[in-house]
Amino acid sequence: EELLVETGGGLIRPGGSLRLSCAASGFIVSSNYLTWVRQVPGKGLEWVSVVYNDGSTFYADSVKGRFTISRDSSKNTLHLQMNTLRADDTAVYYCARVIEVHYYHYYYMDLWGKGTAVTVSS
Amino acid sequence: DIQMTQSPSSLSASVGDRVSITCRASQTISSYLSWYQQIPGKAPKLLIYAASSLQSGVPSRFSGSGSGTDFTLTINSLQPEDFATYYCLQTYNTPWTFGQGTKVDIK
Repeated sequence: EELLVETGGGLIRPGGSLRLSCAASGFIVSSNYLTWVRQVPGKGLEWVSVVYNDGSTFYADSVKGRFTISRDSSKNTLHLQMNTLRADDTAVYYCARVIEVHYYHYYYMDLWGKGTAVTVSS
Repeated sequence: DIQMTQSPSSLSASVGDRVSITCRASQTISSYLSWYQQIPGKAPKLLIYAASSLQSGVPSRFSGSGSGTDFTLTINSLQPEDFATYYCLQTYNTPWTFGQGTKVDIK
């Protein structure tokens, strides 16, 4: 069974750092595109970052320079290193697998984890 | 950045109704659009990709249409399990952007 499980969330003070992990099973992380999406409780979905299978990475402007997405092939795990955290980073963070429709290069998120909650507060 | 505007932001409907949700992109995105359903407390679930392709396992009462800047998600014969919030997502350019969501609740 294909599965994504996020861990690493918690309560952190403003200015602090946190690393989220997303363990994959049933498929190979390094062969896929993977993304992070977050959701402030009661609000909509916000795309955060994506890593392509060639290692290219892209970020939302709101996290650029503070967050780093990476993969650990040995553990088949995706990470999100979050530095200089702010109160407005408080959200549930989801990881998701991104599928590319070959030839057309359409992308979509077909497999999601259950999310991990991050609270930034003093 | 490409802005995605969904309408309506909420709607009330009855079981058996036909419901349509629209998503408009601030510039052309070809068919780089997908639709997701989210039930409170749960992760989003993929319904439609490439604007009109139904994800495997999703009931056929869900359909998607459109290309360019204007897209529609239609739910034929609304079922009790369809009361949820629906989001569109453009993946034409980074930053990828979601619509603000449409909450479908029971009339």
